[in-house]
Amino acid sequence: DTGVSQNPRHKITKRGQNVTFRCDPISEHNRLYWYRQTLGQGPEFLTYFQNEAQLEKSRLLSDRFSAERPKGSFSTLEIQRTEQGDSAMYLCASSLRGQANEQFFGPGTRLTVL
Amino acid sequence: AQSVTQPDIHITVSEGASLELRCNYSYGATPYLFWYVQSPGQGLQLLLKYFSGDTLVQGIKGFEAEFKRSQSSFNLRKPSVHWSDAAEYFCAVGLTGGGNKLTFGTGTQLKVEL
Repeated sequence: DTGVSQNPRHKITKRGQNVTFRCDPISEHNRLYWYRQTLGQGPEFLTYFQNEAQLEKSRLLSDRFSAERPKGSFSTLEIQRTEQGDSAMYLCASSLRGQANEQFFGPGTRLTVL
Repeated sequence: AQSVTQPDIHITVSEGASLELRCNYSYGATPYLFWYVQSPGQGLQLLLKYFSGDTLVQGIKGFEAEFKRSQSSFNLRKPSVHWSDAAEYFCAVGLTGGGNKLTFGTGTQLKVEL
């Protein structure tokens, strides 16, 4: 499968715990995006990387959130001290650099904070 | 700031009937426009996109969309709906500049009656 993959697909955690999600983009794609989708809403942009550089972060990304893409390949999104409001689907997408290029989405990681 | 409005939260159509899903955007310039489809447990799949040129764009699965600058609209259409089209549909705007992050509407849930 050469698409975008995300792990785990589901994560249940208790409030206050830390969680980390992984995204593996399509191999030749140099841009990687994270979005968050809550029930009944469309995905909301969180952050994006071009190669290993994190070029933009949304105001939605509080200090408890951190994302990395250390070698310009896979990326991780960590949430520290999770809160119930963090419960959502976290989507990763990748694309080639350029305005006209399609973003390919992974299946998402569904986070439930109890 | 840019925004996307999908006024119909739910739409039900009979199989074989025509379909039109509405999308309006707010943005200071001509944005890049997209329609994505999301099936349960699946990632977002691109149906079609508009960047410039012909305002009627063809996509996959028999979908088309028409960009109307005067109405700030990008409505999705299909002449004959199949039961497998039941899913959630998202309209999205990509900015001209800014890494091509997407702003999504809240989605329209399509139900197809047999």
